[in-house]
Amino acid sequence: NAGVTQTPKFQVLKTGQSMTLQCAQDMNHEYMSWYRQDPGMGLRLIHYSVGAGITDQGEVPNGYNVSRSTTEDFPLRLLSAAPSQTSVYFCASSYGQGYGGYTFGSGTRLTVV
Amino acid sequence: SQKIEQNSEALNIQEGKTATLTCNYTNYSPAYLQWYRQDPGRGPVFLLLIRENEKEKRKERLKVTFDTTLKQSLFHITASQPADSATYLCALDTTGNTGKLIFGQGTTLQVKP
Repeated sequence: NAGVTQTPKFQVLKTGQSMTLQCAQDMNHEYMSWYRQDPGMGLRLIHYSVGAGITDQGEVPNGYNVSRSTTEDFPLRLLSAAPSQTSVYFCASSYGQGYGGYTFGSGTRLTVV
Repeated sequence: SQKIEQNSEALNIQEGKTATLTCNYTNYSPAYLQWYRQDPGRGPVFLLLIRENEKEKRKERLKVTFDTTLKQSLFHITASQPADSATYLCALDTTGNTGKLIFGQGTTLQVKP
């Protein structure tokens, strides 16, 4: 059981470039979320999804897009990278409805120069 | 405004003592609250979930309480060990089961031998 798989683990982007952070889970979880974690700021919710075809904005959605075409995958797209998006990004999944907690991926460390 | 507050100051205790961490929230009506552990460079790991109709939940040396009137959860680690040293995060779904899981900033626990 792989759990939640995030790729890549590390990425350096130039300002203005776009990229997609991949997230896949093999636990048949309905709920999936993307967080960013910055020093002193804790985990902040970017976007989340409660099932295939359903997404919604979190606390800090600007500059990011998501889609959920399958239960397994929840990619996060950076449209035009900015230095303020330098962060560690975590994807997480859960059965939802309070049936247990979220399983987190190992994270993607993104640097925008 | 809506927020989740955890003590930002590190908690230092002696091995064998009980550690108590606090999570307070305002202007949310969560159906449940979760606690996670995070080690440096790693993603959060789910520990416990407590529902709004539960006063207390236990798992081995861990105990969580949830007071919806005070809007507070307490997280206890009994007989603490140096291996318990980590950052502990509380999280809640903002209202019911929306899938919008918001985290506090976390409290760092240091257990000294």
